[in-house]
Amino acid sequence: DTAVSQTPKYLVTQMGNDKSIKCEQNLGHDTMYWYKQDSKKFLKIMFSYNNKELIINETVPNRFSPKSPDKAHLNLHINSLELGDSAVYFCASSHLGRGQGRYEQYFGPGTRLTVT
Amino acid sequence: AQKITQTQPGMFVQEKEAVTLDCTYDTSDPSYGLFWYKQPSSGEMIFLIYQGSYDQQNATEGRYSLNFQKARKSANLVISASQLGDSAMYFCAMREGGTGRRALTFGSGTRLQVQP
Repeated sequence: DTAVSQTPKYLVTQMGNDKSIKCEQNLGHDTMYWYKQDSKKFLKIMFSYNNKELIINETVPNRFSPKSPDKAHLNLHINSLELGDSAVYFCASSHLGRGQGRYEQYFGPGTRLTVT
Repeated sequence: AQKITQTQPGMFVQEKEAVTLDCTYDTSDPSYGLFWYKQPSSGEMIFLIYQGSYDQQNATEGRYSLNFQKARKSANLVISASQLGDSAMYFCAMREGGTGRRALTFGSGTRLQVQP
């Protein structure tokens, strides 16, 4: 049983195209995230949704638009793709929790986006 | 300012020996959690261990333990009896509980190679 799934796993596309990545979790979590891992393996938060409400929106070009139709799904749409968008995009989920509680995040397998 | 610092880009260890991966952090939030994740060459992110800022004892999970020194703001991961399958990237991450921000801030990672 896959806990956090992402589709597609690989995405190769040309500059200027629009693409979407889908994420689903079956863990009953109320919070979902998009992280970007660059070519140097650095991971950085992009967006987070709690119960379909956007709670984190980092400094990301507005070509990136997340959408959460329900708390089990979080999609990422990217318009006008650029070479610099090439990266691995990870979806994750957790309980929102409070304070310093554990609430570990479970990650999807990642989507490797290559823009040519 | 960097919130999570991993000063070892790469580490080598002999099979069956113990290894310590360093992590220091910076926060003014008294309520925070520290996490370690493993990323093998296959790319997935695997949660290993968690330490809360108010936890009195160091966390342990099987062969993984966390050497938490709060005054020094360090949270080093100790892997005992290394196995070939431990070869991977290891990321230290922090979640600051007081801000309401639930995303993880990651360090730059340490690549561990276990030698037979």
